[in-house]
Amino acid sequence: DGGITQSPKYLFRKEGQNVTLSCEQNLNHDAMYWYRQDPGQGLRLIYYSQIVNDFQKGDIAEGYSVSREKKESFPLTVTSAQKNPTAFYLCASRHRGGGAGDTQYFGPGTRLTVL
Amino acid sequence: AQSVTQLDSHVSVSEGTPVLLRCNYSSSYSPSLFWYVQHPNKGLQLLLKYTSAATLVKGINGFEAEFKKSETSFHLTKPSAHMSDAAEYFCVTGSGGSYIPTFGRGTSLIVHP
Repeated sequence: DGGITQSPKYLFRKEGQNVTLSCEQNLNHDAMYWYRQDPGQGLRLIYYSQIVNDFQKGDIAEGYSVSREKKESFPLTVTSAQKNPTAFYLCASRHRGGGAGDTQYFGPGTRLTVL
Repeated sequence: AQSVTQLDSHVSVSEGTPVLLRCNYSSSYSPSLFWYVQHPNKGLQLLLKYTSAATLVKGINGFEAEFKKSETSFHLTKPSAHMSDAAEYFCVTGSGGSYIPTFGRGTSLIVHP
């Protein structure tokens, strides 16, 4: 089965902790993305990567970090500097070669709650 | 710069009646346009996409959308709503060279029995 997996499905964080959200894809896509979704709001871009070992900040990168050491994997770390991390996090991937018409595929999401 | 505007934050219909979710786009050239659906606590699933082929695009679950350049619109329709259609719907435009899609703010579809 091809697709995107995210783990864990639910994650709880204490104040001052760093946590890492996993995102893995077996679609052989070059580009990967992390979005944050808050209740009643659309998707906001945190980070994206178009190729291994390269990534760029999105609209709300402060308090987050990423790595892209493998094509299949794009983990997101929510650091203690992120003051309001409770949200639903979505990972996506997309084939890079076809231009604007290429479809973005999404994982099932991780719900992060700060205790 | 490209953008999309979803004209309604909420749409309420009765089961069995038609669905219309409105999306207008802004683009300096021929855009790629997508509709996604998101059920509660799930990821986004592609319903359909327009990439400058046929202007009437058929998608999954009986949904379709028509690209109208003169009106800069890409409205999503379904002839008869089902309870399982209740979800959040996003209109998205594909980017140019930067591969950063632009999302609308979403429309919540409510289906009454």
